[in-house]
Amino acid sequence: EAGVAQSPRYKIIEKRQSVAFWCNPISGHATLYWYQQILGQGPKLLIQFQNNGVVDDSQLPKDRFSAERLKGVDSTLKIQPAKLEDSAVYLCASSPLQGRETQYFGPGTRLLVL
Amino acid sequence: GQQLNQSPQSMFIQEGEDVSMNCTSSSIFNTWLWYKQDPGEGPVLLIALYKAGELTSNGRLTAQFGITRKDSFLNISASIPSDVGIYFCAGQRGGSNYKLTFGKGTLLTVNP
Repeated sequence: EAGVAQSPRYKIIEKRQSVAFWCNPISGHATLYWYQQILGQGPKLLIQFQNNGVVDDSQLPKDRFSAERLKGVDSTLKIQPAKLEDSAVYLCASSPLQGRETQYFGPGTRLLVL
Repeated sequence: GQQLNQSPQSMFIQEGEDVSMNCTSSSIFNTWLWYKQDPGEGPVLLIALYKAGELTSNGRLTAQFGITRKDSFLNISASIPSDVGIYFCAGQRGGSNYKLTFGKGTLLTVNP
């Protein structure tokens, strides 16, 4: 079974530029999560989708971050414009259903904002 | 926001030694999870705990869900070099809230 795929793996941009990350969850997984992991910290949930609907986006900085999950499969996370403090690893995870089901993480996209 | 206090921050041990790390919270969680993250990879689930007092093993790993539901610990016995990595605890409240709250991690280094 293929795991969670993310691209790109690395991205370097200048502040005020825009960037987008892509995630393809495990086939059949209804729930998709985007996490931000700052160096030296644990992952912090940004947004959770159930199929193509948003379940929780309470920690998403909506003035600059946006995410969508069209057709309930792939998802993109966008930052526009980026700030220095957005430098982090952006992790995508998926699970079959909400609740006890294990969240499977992708390898992450490492973003450096200069 | 909610934080989990994970300790120690880092450990440097000799191969073969046992390791213990723990996680505490100011509020109750209904599920405790332990993840391991290798460099350049996403976290991988090691052990999931669903009931207060539960003690669960996975090979050389043993974890317990605290009776108060505010803490958990992870033990690794007879450490080997491939145990190197960052270990994270995570709590989940359950009910209608499935969000995971992570600790800051414990960096484990094993000296062969």
